[in-house]
Amino acid sequence: AVVTQEPSLTVSPGGTVTLTCGSSSGPVASNLYPYWFQQKPGQAPRTLIYDTSRKHSWTPARFSGSLLGGKAALTLSGAQPGDEAYYYCMLFFGDTFVFGTGTEVTVL
Amino acid sequence: EVQLVESGGGLVEPGRSLRLSCAASGFPFHNYGMHWVRQAPGKGLEWVSGISRNSGQTGYADSVKGRFIISRDNAKNSLYLQMNSLSTDDTALYYCAKAWKEGGDSYFGMDLWGQGTTVRVS
Repeated sequence: AVVTQEPSLTVSPGGTVTLTCGSSSGPVASNLYPYWFQQKPGQAPRTLIYDTSRKHSWTPARFSGSLLGGKAALTLSGAQPGDEAYYYCMLFFGDTFVFGTGTEVTVL
Repeated sequence: EVQLVESGGGLVEPGRSLRLSCAASGFPFHNYGMHWVRQAPGKGLEWVSGISRNSGQTGYADSVKGRFIISRDNAKNSLYLQMNSLSTDDTALYYCAKAWKEGGDSYFGMDLWGQGTTVRVS
């Protein structure tokens, strides 16, 4: 399967942006256990969301995960300059994981 | 504190082999599935392979199936990736990552990541 994301999105400081994650094999549902990762230049990825909407202890409250219109979605509410990064989703297809193409988020 | 430290990367000629290692500490390694994820220069993330806590289940991306072998030694708190028949397409930063869920018989998705080790095939 090919997992697709918006190539780039821009959000104003304090604003809200929603990233989506679609699959070529059909609608994304909870049984694909969507994950979301943040990666800043020169750094290892950081896991934000797992199992569609569950947060880790280090996940800022302004990030939330959901399913939206047959896709997985990551919503950033109250964007901060430090949220500028690449964001990747990942889906589970039985015995393999597939990362999305990634979204570059600019806070401007 | 969880620590994942990868090693074993380097420059290797096409067709040769390389073995990566990941030393884990700060958590009960034997109770968690583990993963290898790679990132080619300037590209996105690619899941490479996963292994369950007791090695009973393993999985591979199509791009490495039949060439790479994931394994672990729970007594040594270590994860490995044996990479054979390397090609220039395997050039990447290879990350070791820990699964988020303790227990179970599969390799759940990752929560914590190492800093990676670089493999260059040329």
